[in-house]
Parts: sequence; structure tokens; C-alpha cells
Amino acid sequence: AQSVTQPDIHITVSEGASLELRCNYSYGATPYLFWYVQSPGQGLQLLLKYFSGDTLVQGIKGFEAEFKRSQSSFNLRKPSVHWSDAAEYFCATFNSGGGADGLTFGKGTHLIIQP
Amino acid sequence: KAGVTQTPRYLIKTRGQQVTLSCSPISGHRSVSWYQQTPGQGLQFLFEYFSETQRNKGNFPGRFSGRQFSNSRSEMNVSTLELGDSALYLCASSFQQAGELFFGEGSRLTVL
Repeated sequence: AQSVTQPDIHITVSEGASLELRCNYSYGATPYLFWYVQSPGQGLQLLLKYFSGDTLVQGIKGFEAEFKRSQSSFNLRKPSVHWSDAAEYFCATFNSGGGADGLTFGKGTHLIIQP
Repeated sequence: KAGVTQTPRYLIKTRGQQVTLSCSPISGHRSVSWYQQTPGQGLQFLFEYFSETQRNKGNFPGRFSGRQFSNSRSEMNVSTLELGDSALYLCASSFQQAGELFFGEGSRLTVL
């Protein structure tokens, strides 16, 4: 079964600094990969997705992610964070065979923004 | 275009009771999935419905069930509630199976 690992439970970044959130997946075939963001008390909002093609994908709110098959990674990046980016970030995947097990989520990374 | 709507947003039940949660997907979306979110287990897939048929099911006991109506609206039911069922239940819809998911704000269930 596929799995997703987000190694960092918490990350603290100063406002205006760059950000990289790590995500590693475990799956043999080409996975569908997603990054979602969740603000307190809210549902999940899709930031970006990778299905195939260009390995650098652009998302909303200035986020981007790069798919690296050799490293089984799909790290999320932002060049300059804003205080409003403070939230929980989830990496997720399901297999291209139809998502028989639904989306598999990582445990999440809690992003704290320092003024 | 209205987003995914879940009702109720908050509810409190006692052990042994049952609960029904409702989800209205985005117009035109035929797939509805349900997820449970807890601090300990994170986000876990419950089940997915597509055109009124349960297509996939996660690893949850039979107390958790759901259905989808002809208008794509979905309900999930949890019977004989346990303390461990306290969670945020998230519904998501997509235009097709294995497509991009759009989540609602969730129904927060507290079991006392």
C-alpha cells in the first residue's frame, strides 16, 4: 500500500523567508500527488497537484512543488512566506489505478510564521 | 459556484447514540468521499460513492456506513457511537473518480 511521509511535524519560518516542506511517497507506479492546506477549524484546500508531465508544478498562493522520482519526493516551496500562510500542510497521494483506498495523507506539517 | 456543504458543522452526542452527517457536493460532481480526521490518526479514508454506488471503502468497522442519493448528495451514519469516534468528518467531492478533490469545512463530532 502506498504511504506518505512528512518528516517535519512543525516548522517555524520568519515572515518573508523562503519555505520548503518535505514529502516522500512510497509507491511503485507513477503516483498522483497533492498538497493541501488546512487553516484552523477549516476543511482542506488544494494548493497544487501533479499527475504527469512537467515535474515542477505551480499552485495557488505562490506555492510550487517539484516531483523527483529518483528521490520519491514532492516537496512544497514558497520563495517568501506571509503571516497568512500559517496553517497545517498535508501531502497526499493516490494511485493512478483509481484511488481504491482513497487519498493517503501524510501526518501533516504545522507551519508557524514568526514576525 | 457553491462549494461542498456539510451539515451540521458541530454536534455533541453520547456513547451508544447514532449520528447522521450530510454532504452536498459541488454541482456536477458525481463522486463523494468521506474522511475522518483525528489528532492521533490524522486523515483517514472512510468511503467513496460514485453515482449512488459505494466504490471504495477504508478500514473502518461496519458501524460506519454511508449512502449517496440520485442528486449526488451523500450522508454518512455512525451507529453505537464510541468515545474514539470524536473527530472532524470531512466530505470531498470530485467530478470523476480519482480526480481532484474539493473538501467541505467538515462536521466536528464530539462523543461524551
